[in-house]
Amino acid sequence: QVQLVQSGAEVKEPGASVKVSCKTSGYTFNTYAVAWVRQAPGQGLEWMGWISGYNGNTNYAQKFQGRISMTRDTSTSTSYMELKSLRSDDTAVYYCARLEFWSGRYWGQGTLVKVSS
Amino acid sequence: QSALTQPPSASGSPGQSVTISCTGTTSDVGASSYVSWYQHHPDKAPRLLIYELNKRPSGVPDRFSASKSGNTASLTVSGLQADDEADYYCTSYAPSYNLVVFGGGTKLTVL
Repeated sequence: QVQLVQSGAEVKEPGASVKVSCKTSGYTFNTYAVAWVRQAPGQGLEWMGWISGYNGNTNYAQKFQGRISMTRDTSTSTSYMELKSLRSDDTAVYYCARLEFWSGRYWGQGTLVKVSS
Repeated sequence: QSALTQPPSASGSPGQSVTISCTGTTSDVGASSYVSWYQHHPDKAPRLLIYELNKRPSGVPDRFSASKSGNTASLTVSGLQADDEADYYCTSYAPSYNLVVFGGGTKLTVL
């Protein structure tokens, strides 16, 4: 069965970087893109961007341009999302999802990233 | 790219139907067949209810249906049940930007 398993919770200081992993299984990794979505406390879901499983091409939401990097490791079927220069308003649960027809049928369990001094 | 517009809240009694709207622009909802709807319970991953305007993944009951007219998409939940109480989000692919935009979310309360 399709599974996406994310790395554990992180606590970071302002200005630091965080890298969240999303290990996939149950399907051919390079046939689907992976999207990243986050939800800050009390806020709605927010699209961050996606990375192609086929060639690693990326597309980021304008809000995160210059601070975000999505990569993948085809040997381990894992996608990564790195966010730099963290601020307190980056505190959120970060989700990865397998992208199909521009929708997410399968999701990771979420990773809480807390930014605090 | 601005978020799609959803009503912040909606409500209905068990057994009733409720419709949630999602208004975008000619750059997203109006230009795309890739409109999706999600149900999100607190502390759980979002659940895909509808993709490609009106298709349901396997396992999603036909109580959930959706449509689109112009720049506005709609989700209808029929035969409301207590477990339907959750946040609902629409998304649309925006072809000009090659990305997806979310709605602000609608909190559905089952009275």
